[in-house]
Amino acid sequence: DAKTTQPNSMESNEEEPVHLPCNHSTISGTDYIHWYRQLPSQGPEYVIHGLTSNVNNRMASLAIAEDRKSSTLILHRATLRDAAVYYCILRDHRDDKIIFGKGTRLHILP
Amino acid sequence: EPEVTQTPSHQVTQMGQEVILRCVPISNHLYFYWYRQILGQKVEFLVSFYNNEISEKSEIFDDQFSVERPDGSNFTLKIRSTKLEDSAMYFCASSESAGGTDTQYFGPGTRLTVL
Repeated sequence: DAKTTQPNSMESNEEEPVHLPCNHSTISGTDYIHWYRQLPSQGPEYVIHGLTSNVNNRMASLAIAEDRKSSTLILHRATLRDAAVYYCILRDHRDDKIIFGKGTRLHILP
Repeated sequence: EPEVTQTPSHQVTQMGQEVILRCVPISNHLYFYWYRQILGQKVEFLVSFYNNEISEKSEIFDDQFSVERPDGSNFTLKIRSTKLEDSAMYFCASSESAGGTDTQYFGPGTRLTVL
Protein backbone atom coordinates (compact mmCIF):
# COMPACT_ATOMS: atom_id res chain seq x y z
CA ASP A 1 0.00 0.00 0.00
CA ALA A 2 1.19 3.54 -0.76
CA LYS A 3 2.22 5.41 2.36
CA THR A 4 1.18 8.74 3.76
CA THR A 5 3.09 11.05 6.06
CA GLN A 6 1.33 13.25 8.58
CA PRO A 7 2.51 15.33 11.52
CA ASN A 8 2.08 13.49 14.81
CA SER A 9 0.12 16.32 16.39
CA MET A 10 -1.20 19.81 15.78
CA GLU A 11 -2.88 22.49 17.83
CA SER A 12 -5.44 25.03 16.81
CA ASN A 13 -7.64 27.58 18.47
CA GLU A 14 -11.36 27.15 18.64
CA GLU A 15 -13.34 28.91 15.90
CA GLU A 16 -10.28 29.21 13.66
CA PRO A 17 -9.57 27.28 10.44
CA VAL A 18 -7.34 24.23 10.63
CA HIS A 19 -5.19 22.91 7.81
CA LEU A 20 -4.06 19.32 8.27
CA PRO A 21 -1.32 18.35 5.81
CA CYS A 22 -0.61 14.94 4.30
CA ASN A 23 2.22 13.87 2.01
CA HIS A 24 1.81 10.92 -0.31
CA SER A 25 4.64 11.17 -2.80
CA THR A 26 4.28 7.57 -4.03
CA ILE A 27 0.57 7.85 -4.82
CA SER A 28 -0.54 5.94 -7.91
CA GLY A 29 -3.06 7.03 -10.50
CA THR A 30 -5.77 4.76 -9.10
CA ASP A 31 -5.40 5.78 -5.46
CA TYR A 32 -8.17 7.77 -3.84
CA ILE A 33 -7.28 10.09 -0.96
CA HIS A 34 -9.50 9.48 2.06
CA TRP A 35 -9.68 11.20 5.41
CA TYR A 36 -11.19 9.61 8.49
CA ARG A 37 -11.11 10.81 12.05
CA GLN A 38 -11.40 9.10 15.41
CA LEU A 39 -12.88 11.03 18.29
CA PRO A 40 -11.81 9.91 21.78
CA SER A 41 -13.22 6.49 22.70
CA GLN A 42 -15.12 6.19 19.42
CA GLY A 43 -14.81 4.32 16.16
CA PRO A 44 -13.33 5.95 13.07
CA GLU A 45 -15.59 8.31 11.18
CA TYR A 46 -15.49 9.17 7.48
CA VAL A 47 -14.68 12.79 6.74
CA ILE A 48 -14.08 13.21 3.00
CA HIS A 49 -12.37 11.71 -0.02
CA GLY A 50 -11.21 12.76 -3.47
CA LEU A 51 -9.19 11.73 -6.48
CA THR A 52 -7.87 14.80 -8.30
CA SER A 53 -10.16 17.77 -7.77
CA ASN A 54 -10.75 19.66 -4.54
CA VAL A 55 -13.81 18.46 -2.64
CA ASN A 56 -16.16 20.10 -0.17
CA ASN A 57 -18.76 18.63 2.13
CA ARG A 58 -20.54 19.69 5.27
CA MET A 59 -17.66 18.54 7.48
CA ALA A 60 -14.57 19.76 5.68
CA SER A 61 -12.77 20.60 2.46
CA LEU A 62 -10.05 18.58 0.78
CA ALA A 63 -7.42 20.40 -1.23
CA ILE A 64 -5.37 18.14 -3.50
CA ALA A 65 -2.11 19.30 -5.01
CA GLU A 66 -1.92 19.34 -8.78
CA ASP A 67 0.70 16.55 -8.80
CA ARG A 68 -1.38 14.67 -6.18
CA LYS A 69 1.68 14.14 -4.02
CA SER A 70 0.14 16.00 -1.13
CA SER A 71 -3.23 17.04 0.18
CA THR A 72 -4.68 19.20 2.94
CA LEU A 73 -7.78 18.65 5.00
CA ILE A 74 -9.37 21.95 5.91
CA LEU A 75 -11.72 22.39 8.84
CA HIS A 76 -13.17 25.82 8.27
CA ARG A 77 -14.04 26.67 11.84
CA ALA A 78 -12.75 24.28 14.47
CA THR A 79 -14.82 23.45 17.51
CA LEU A 80 -13.83 21.54 20.63
CA ARG A 81 -15.70 18.59 19.19
CA ASP A 82 -13.18 18.42 16.32
CA ALA A 83 -10.43 17.29 18.69
CA ALA A 84 -9.56 13.86 17.30
CA VAL A 85 -6.97 11.79 15.46
CA TYR A 86 -7.19 12.52 11.73
CA TYR A 87 -6.09 9.82 9.31
CA CYS A 88 -5.03 10.48 5.72
CA ILE A 89 -5.39 7.22 3.79
CA LEU A 90 -4.75 6.13 0.23
CA ARG A 91 -7.09 3.51 -1.20
CA ASP A 92 -6.76 1.89 -4.57
CA HIS A 93 -10.05 1.87 -6.49
CA ARG A 94 -10.15 -1.93 -6.11
CA ASP A 95 -9.25 -2.00 -2.43
CA ASP A 96 -11.97 -2.76 0.11
CA LYS A 97 -9.95 -2.55 3.29
CA ILE A 98 -8.72 0.61 4.96
CA ILE A 99 -5.11 0.70 6.13
CA PHE A 100 -4.81 3.21 8.96
CA GLY A 101 -1.57 4.95 9.87
CA LYS A 102 -0.87 6.81 13.08
CA GLY A 103 -2.63 9.97 11.93
CA THR A 104 -2.43 13.49 13.32
CA ARG A 105 -3.74 14.15 16.80
CA LEU A 106 -5.52 17.51 16.62
CA HIS A 107 -5.85 19.48 19.84
CA ILE A 108 -8.32 22.36 19.94
CA LEU A 109 -7.64 25.12 22.42
CA PRO A 110 -10.64 26.99 23.86
CA GLU B 1 -29.21 8.82 10.57
CA PRO B 2 -28.59 5.06 10.26
CA GLU B 3 -25.66 3.74 12.27
CA VAL B 4 -23.71 0.59 12.95
CA THR B 5 -24.32 -0.84 16.40
CA GLN B 6 -22.17 -3.27 18.38
CA THR B 7 -22.78 -5.39 21.45
CA PRO B 8 -21.56 -5.75 24.07
CA SER B 9 -19.72 -2.49 24.64
CA HIS B 10 -17.30 -4.27 26.98
CA GLN B 11 -16.55 -7.97 27.25
CA VAL B 12 -14.31 -9.49 29.88
CA THR B 13 -13.24 -13.09 29.43
CA GLN B 14 -10.73 -15.61 30.69
CA MET B 15 -7.88 -16.70 28.48
CA GLY B 16 -8.85 -19.76 26.43
CA GLN B 17 -12.57 -18.94 26.41
CA GLU B 18 -14.59 -18.34 23.27
CA VAL B 19 -16.14 -14.93 22.66
CA ILE B 20 -18.62 -13.71 20.10
CA LEU B 21 -18.77 -10.03 19.25
CA ARG B 22 -21.92 -8.84 17.59
CA CYS B 23 -22.60 -6.11 15.09
CA VAL B 24 -25.69 -4.84 13.32
CA PRO B 25 -24.58 -3.13 10.11
CA ILE B 26 -26.58 -0.45 8.34
CA SER B 27 -29.54 -2.19 6.78
CA ASN B 28 -28.95 -1.66 3.05
CA HIS B 29 -25.21 -2.25 3.23
CA LEU B 30 -23.69 -5.29 1.56
CA TYR B 31 -20.05 -5.19 2.64
CA PHE B 32 -18.94 -5.84 6.20
CA TYR B 33 -15.64 -5.50 8.01
CA TRP B 34 -13.93 -6.08 11.32
CA TYR B 35 -11.01 -4.02 12.56
CA ARG B 36 -9.24 -3.98 15.89
CA GLN B 37 -7.24 -1.42 17.83
CA ILE B 38 -4.92 -2.46 20.60
CA LEU B 39 -4.66 0.28 23.22
CA GLY B 40 -2.44 3.10 22.01
CA GLN B 41 -1.87 1.52 18.60
CA LYS B 42 -3.19 1.85 15.07
CA VAL B 43 -6.53 0.59 13.85
CA GLU B 44 -5.82 -2.72 12.05
CA PHE B 45 -7.87 -4.44 9.37
CA LEU B 46 -8.96 -7.99 10.20
CA VAL B 47 -11.43 -9.18 7.59
CA SER B 48 -13.90 -8.14 4.92
CA PHE B 49 -17.07 -10.07 4.11
CA TYR B 50 -19.42 -9.96 1.15
CA ASN B 51 -22.09 -12.25 -0.22
CA ASN B 52 -21.73 -14.61 2.74
CA GLU B 53 -18.06 -15.21 2.34
CA ILE B 54 -14.76 -13.71 3.33
CA SER B 55 -13.38 -11.52 0.57
CA GLU B 56 -10.11 -10.61 2.25
CA LYS B 57 -8.38 -11.24 5.56
CA SER B 58 -5.21 -10.02 7.20
CA GLU B 59 -2.42 -12.06 8.79
CA ILE B 60 -3.98 -11.33 12.18
CA PHE B 61 -7.14 -13.20 11.19
CA ASP B 62 -5.86 -16.71 11.84
CA ASP B 63 -7.74 -19.94 12.50
CA GLN B 64 -8.87 -18.70 15.91
CA PHE B 65 -11.07 -16.11 14.24
CA SER B 66 -14.25 -16.62 12.26
CA VAL B 67 -17.03 -14.40 10.98
CA GLU B 68 -20.63 -15.13 10.23
CA ARG B 69 -23.79 -13.45 9.11
CA PRO B 70 -26.27 -15.72 10.87
CA ASP B 71 -29.36 -13.81 9.75
CA GLY B 72 -30.28 -10.78 7.69
CA SER B 73 -29.17 -8.26 10.25
CA ASN B 74 -26.31 -9.49 12.43
CA PHE B 75 -22.63 -9.86 11.63
CA THR B 76 -20.48 -11.63 14.21
CA LEU B 77 -16.82 -12.12 14.99
CA LYS B 78 -15.92 -15.22 16.96
CA ILE B 79 -12.62 -15.77 18.68
CA ARG B 80 -12.38 -19.47 19.46
CA SER B 81 -9.78 -19.51 22.22
CA THR B 82 -8.85 -16.07 23.41
CA LYS B 83 -5.29 -15.06 24.22
CA LEU B 84 -4.06 -12.17 26.31
CA GLU B 85 -2.93 -10.38 23.17
CA ASP B 86 -6.49 -10.40 21.80
CA SER B 87 -7.33 -7.64 24.28
CA ALA B 88 -8.31 -4.68 22.12
CA MET B 89 -11.16 -2.57 20.81
CA TYR B 90 -12.95 -4.36 18.00
CA PHE B 91 -14.74 -2.22 15.45
CA CYS B 92 -17.31 -3.42 12.97
CA ALA B 93 -17.88 -1.42 9.79
CA SER B 94 -20.19 -1.65 6.82
CA SER B 95 -20.44 -0.04 3.42
CA GLU B 96 -22.92 0.09 0.58
CA SER B 97 -20.33 -0.60 -2.09
CA ALA B 98 -16.72 -1.66 -2.19
CA GLY B 99 -13.48 -0.33 -3.53
CA GLY B 100 -11.60 2.89 -3.07
CA THR B 101 -14.59 5.16 -3.50
CA ASP B 102 -16.81 3.65 -0.83
CA THR B 103 -17.46 5.06 2.61
CA GLN B 104 -17.18 2.72 5.54
CA TYR B 105 -19.34 3.40 8.56
CA PHE B 106 -17.88 2.24 11.84
CA GLY B 107 -19.61 1.13 15.00
CA PRO B 108 -18.66 2.36 18.48
CA GLY B 109 -16.61 -0.75 19.18
CA THR B 110 -16.47 -3.57 21.71
CA ARG B 111 -13.70 -3.44 24.26
CA LEU B 112 -12.44 -7.00 24.79
CA THR B 113 -10.40 -7.66 27.89
CA VAL B 114 -8.77 -11.08 28.19
CA LEU B 115 -7.57 -11.99 31.68
